[in-house]
Amino acid sequence: SYELTQPPSVSVSPGQTARITCSGDALPKQYAYWYQQKPGQAPVVMIYKDSERPSGIPERFSGSSSGTTVTLTISGVQAEDEADYYCQSADSSGTYVFGTGTKVTVV
Amino acid sequence: QVQLVQSGAEVKKPGASVKVSCKASGYTFTRYYMHWVRQAPGQGLEWMGIINPSGGNTGYAQKFQGRVTMTRDTSTSTVYMELSSLRSEDTAVYYCAREGITISLGFDPWGQGTLVTVSS
Repeated sequence: SYELTQPPSVSVSPGQTARITCSGDALPKQYAYWYQQKPGQAPVVMIYKDSERPSGIPERFSGSSSGTTVTLTISGVQAEDEADYYCQSADSSGTYVFGTGTKVTVV
Repeated sequence: QVQLVQSGAEVKKPGASVKVSCKASGYTFTRYYMHWVRQAPGQGLEWMGIINPSGGNTGYAQKFQGRVTMTRDTSTSTVYMELSSLRSEDTAVYYCAREGITISLGFDPWGQGTLVTVSS
């Protein structure tokens, strides 16, 4: 089955930049989406269609795509950004899939 | 405002079935897909399937084929997810989440989640 691979964890100091990658063979042909999930809460979409930011999402969150890898970048990380992040996309048949998830720790 | 409100927590025995509801409000029910996603304790998100509330068409992840059924009631703007032959590995929080049919902005919003516990 199709998989999206993310690093298990990323550590970053406040004010620095965090980059989370997501790799999958179908990403050149399918859009990627990014979700933030804090403990005990439902996920929230942070980026849609690779690089679009929904209204209400801080500008420090951005997305990019290159080949089989998409990246979520958090510029000027704040303590409140500590959370789990998941990418999401679809395979060639249209089956949806989530990435393995990345825990961002602000140290 | 757009809201998805799910039914309450369930405790089931192995082999039983569970049916979780998700009531939508604040938008035109038939213009958005509804997905079901689950999250086992301490684990990641797992996509289960999709239903188009307009015609009732469904698509399920291969892992759940034959065990999951998604339905909708347009009169009450509610979708349902029924999972049968439950086993302990099905213990998880189950979420519904909306996605635009014409234009996708991702899964937004999500329901509050329903904890299903499978235990003898």
